[in-house]
Amino acid sequence: TQLLEQSPQFLSIQEGENLTVYCNSSSVFSSLQWYRQEPGEGPVLLVTVVTGGEVKKLKRLTFQFGDARKDSSLHITAAQPGDTGLYLCADYQAGTALIFGKGTTLSVSS
Amino acid sequence: DTAVSQTPKYLVTQMGNDKSIKCEQNLGHDTMYWYKQDSKKFLKIMFSYNNKELIINETVPNRFSPKSPDKAHLNLHINSLELGDSAVYFCASSQDPLGTSGSQNTDTQYFGPGTRLTVL
Repeated sequence: TQLLEQSPQFLSIQEGENLTVYCNSSSVFSSLQWYRQEPGEGPVLLVTVVTGGEVKKLKRLTFQFGDARKDSSLHITAAQPGDTGLYLCADYQAGTALIFGKGTTLSVSS
Repeated sequence: DTAVSQTPKYLVTQMGNDKSIKCEQNLGHDTMYWYKQDSKKFLKIMFSYNNKELIINETVPNRFSPKSPDKAHLNLHINSLELGDSAVYFCASSQDPLGTSGSQNTDTQYFGPGTRLTVL
């Protein structure tokens, strides 16, 4: 069974700081997805990466997929309070349902 | 218009009771899911239905029974509720869970707002 490990588990920073969170898999990702979940809501997809070495940018968020497709990072530049939430990495299990990491809880204070 | 909706948002009940959570999606998707998020925020798949047929049934107690009356609805019925059933339950949907033949599945899953179940 594939295991997804995310680090750090918790991160508390000031507005304007940069940060990076990580996701590592016990096996090669099928296709890696990053979701963000805000308090009281369901997860929302941020990005999907498929190709090893791929880099995608979404405004201040930069997603990197490892060459061997077993790890990924999410870098946020100049964090804002609106970035607060639970960041989850996920992969499709046998192509059907998602398996998730345990997430990184990010708190950005102004 | 809400894409994936769930009712109720909150559910507080006594041990031993039977309860249902309803889910509806208006995205025209073929596949719907139920996930459970525990107190440590860990999200885990429970069931997956594709065109009203059960695709995935993870190791979930048989007290949990999903029912899909049509492609747009997937309800979750729970019998004999236990303290350990307390969690947030999320419904989700996606268009093509099995991907196209031989290719990776990159489908977006759309989640509902969740139902917080508290068993006393």
